[in-house]
Formats: sequence, C-alpha cells, structure tokens
Amino acid sequence: GAVVSQHPSRVICKSGTSVKIECRSLDFQATTMFWYRQFPKKSLMLMATSNEGSKATYEQGVEKDKFLINHASLTLSTLTVTSAHPEDSSFYICSASAGGNQPQHFGDGTRLSIL
Amino acid sequence: KNQVEQSPQSLIILEGKNCTLQCNYTVSPFSNLRWYKQDTGRGPVSLTIMTFSENTKSNGRYTATLDADTKQSSLHITASQLSDSASYICVVSAAGNTPLVFGKGTRLSVIA
Repeated sequence: GAVVSQHPSRVICKSGTSVKIECRSLDFQATTMFWYRQFPKKSLMLMATSNEGSKATYEQGVEKDKFLINHASLTLSTLTVTSAHPEDSSFYICSASAGGNQPQHFGDGTRLSIL
Repeated sequence: KNQVEQSPQSLIILEGKNCTLQCNYTVSPFSNLRWYKQDTGRGPVSLTIMTFSENTKSNGRYTATLDADTKQSSLHITASQLSDSASYICVVSAAGNTPLVFGKGTRLSVIA
C-alpha cells in the first residue's frame, strides 16, 4: 500500500526558532500534498494544499508567511513553521495523493512543542 | 455547510464485546465516505471506503455501512481487542476538488 513518511516525529524547541517538517511519499508520486493541524481531542484541520511545482493554497486564517510550504518534487513536501511560538505547539499531519480522485494517505504526524 | 457529526464522543467497552460507532453527514454532492483509525500520536489509517452505491464494506473485524438516503454511516467492530483502542474518524469527500470533511472522531477504549 501507499506509504507516507513524515519526519521528525517529535520536535521540542525554543520560542523564536524555525522548524522544518518533511513529508515524503515513498512508493508513489504525490501530485498533491496536504498539511493538517490537530489539537487534542479535535478533528484534523486543513491548513494548506500544495501541488508539485506550484504555490500552496492556504485555508482561511492560516498565515502563509508563518507556515511556509514547499512542494518541489513529486515525493517531497516541507512545512516550515517560522519563528515558532508556544501557541504553534500542536500535532501536524501531512497527507499525499496521486491527484484527481485518488485517496489521501496520511503520515504519522509531527508533535511540535515550543517552549 | 458541509459537516460530519460523530457519536458517541467516547466509548468504553470490555474486551471481546462488539460496538457500533455512528456518523451523520451533510456533505453534498457526496463522493465517498471513509472510516479511519487514529492511534494516539499517529496519523490516521484508512479502514474502509464506500461510494454512493455501496451499502456495506468489511475489513476483518470492522464492518462499515452507508445509507446515502439518510446520510448516515456506521462502523461496527466485532470481538473487540485491546489494540482497537483509538480514535475512529469518519471522513466524507465531496465531489470535485474540495477539501475532505472530517468528523471529530469517537474515542474508543477497550479494557480487559
């Protein structure tokens, strides 16, 4: 089956630093990748959708300068949380799709803790 | 507004017992419905997917049903195991290039 690898699984860092999270599709070409945020006991909230080679589309209320997304290849997308603050602490999950009506396959998430 | 409502919010059952989780949706136009299992600190893993014409789909001890007329789905877990403890999320996809609509999930705890 389709495998999506997300790295790192856990990050703890000081306020003000920038954190990069990687999302890789290991055995298929991901035309489209999605980034979600999940708070405790809440459902996944879509942050942005990225198509390979083009700019990401951000959902309403998500700051594009705060959450930088790069989707430079068909197997890799990155999310960079710039100048992270404690309120950015959350569980971030990526998913990847081969495009069209193909299903999304989720990574295992990254637990981000900003001190 | 496209929404997915799940019930119950949480559930505790004894190992070996069966349980049924519910999902109601208002997503339109409907494309498909998936049930995911999400272990704590992990990403969601797909259990079943059903399109408009499918009434039931099984995956081992998991059986999902879909009533597209009433816009309801259920996930039945048979002979529960401790490893079934997780959040079960109902996700509905609308036709066209629109975001998935996620339910808040049902937190299932299976105890010995």
